[in-house]
Parts: sequence; C-alpha cells; structure tokens
Amino acid sequence: EVQLLESGGGLVQPGGSLRLSCAASGFTFSNYAMTWVRQAPGKGLEWVAVISGSGESIYYADSVKGRSTISRDNSRNTLYLQMDSLRAEDTAVYYCAKSWVILVVPSINFDYWGQGTLVTVSS
Amino acid sequence: SYVLTQPPSVSVAPGQTARITCGGNNIGRKSVHWYQQQPGQAPVLVVYDDSDRPSGIPERFSGSNSGNTATLTIIRVEAGDEADYYCQVWDNSGDHVVFGGGTKLTVL
Repeated sequence: EVQLLESGGGLVQPGGSLRLSCAASGFTFSNYAMTWVRQAPGKGLEWVAVISGSGESIYYADSVKGRSTISRDNSRNTLYLQMDSLRAEDTAVYYCAKSWVILVVPSINFDYWGQGTLVTVSS
Repeated sequence: SYVLTQPPSVSVAPGQTARITCGGNNIGRKSVHWYQQQPGQAPVLVVYDDSDRPSGIPERFSGSNSGNTATLTIIRVEAGDEADYYCQVWDNSGDHVVFGGGTKLTVL
C-alpha cells in the first residue's frame, strides 16, 4: 500500500525557515517523480515544486523560486522541502504527492497524496 | 504563464449529470487531469490523460478535452460526489504544473 506521511509543519515567524519531510512507503521511491502542492486556508490547490525520480530535474513555482528547495534522499525514501524567508502568504497545508512516472513529463499527474502538514507563518 | 479557468460552483440534483469545465488556451493539445477533494481530505485523482480513470474510480466519472475546454462529467450524481474538483496540466512554456482554481460541486 502506498503511503506518504508529511511532517515538519508548524508555526514560524515571518522571515523564518522550515524543512518539510515526506516519508514514502509501499513503492520503489526512486522510480517516481514527486511534488509538493499547497493549499491556503479556504483556497484552491497551488503547485509548489516537482522533482524527478533521480533528482536531476527540478522545477519551482514562481511564488517560491529562490526561497524554497525541493530535494529527495532515495536511500531514505524521503522527499524534502526547505522553505526560507517565509511570508504570511506561505501559510497553507502542504501536501506531497507521487507521480506515475520517473521523469517530469508533459502528461505528469499525481496518483497518491499524503494527508498534508500545516505551515503557519505569523508573528 | 498558462491559466486554467473553472467555474467556482456547479449545482446538480441527485441522479442528474454534472459537467465541470476547465478552460485554457488550446488545452485540447495538453493532457488534462482531474482531482476530487472532499472537505478536510487530500485530493484524489479521478481522471487522467483527459479521459482515463484510475482503478477504483467509478465509471460514472469521465472526461473529455477539445479546443479550449476540457470537461469532467459525472453521471448519476450522488450525494457523496459533493466536493471540490480541480483540473491540472503541465505548462511546457514555463515548466510548471498548473491547477485550475477549483469548482465546488453541490448536490441539491
């Protein structure tokens, strides 16, 4: 059974940093691209970043580019999102999700999602 | 950047057919995927590659994509289908994943 378990969320002050983790199980982690998607309270889904199975291809949303770093440790079956210079507008539930394919391709979609971890940026 | 436009809300009576649209420039040339999100839950993929269904998704869910509009169709709507629905594509020009703004489906 595929399982994705996010952790690392919490309350952080504006300008602060946070590292989110997503522990994966039930599939061969290195064979699939992974993504982070966030959802602000009462709002829609917003894509954050995606990484290929090998970690060689990485893409970011404009809203987080330069402030966030997606990475993965295939030996630990874990996906990460390092977020720096956090702003109030970064407040959201952050989901990790698994793609169906190893590469970041035009048909990319996400077939399994974690339950999310809440990040609150406030003083 | 590529924009996907969804109606904020769609209402339908039980047993009827719901159609949720997703508009985008030449979206017919892209692969469109649809997600269902129940309140307080993570999204679930219900249609991928315009019209394919993942295992476990009822045949009542189908999709189509042509021109500037993709459509998620749910026939014989049930109370349990009440949820938010999001379309998603890959934007080649910006190398971005793009989600539509979401549509709240209300079952009357």
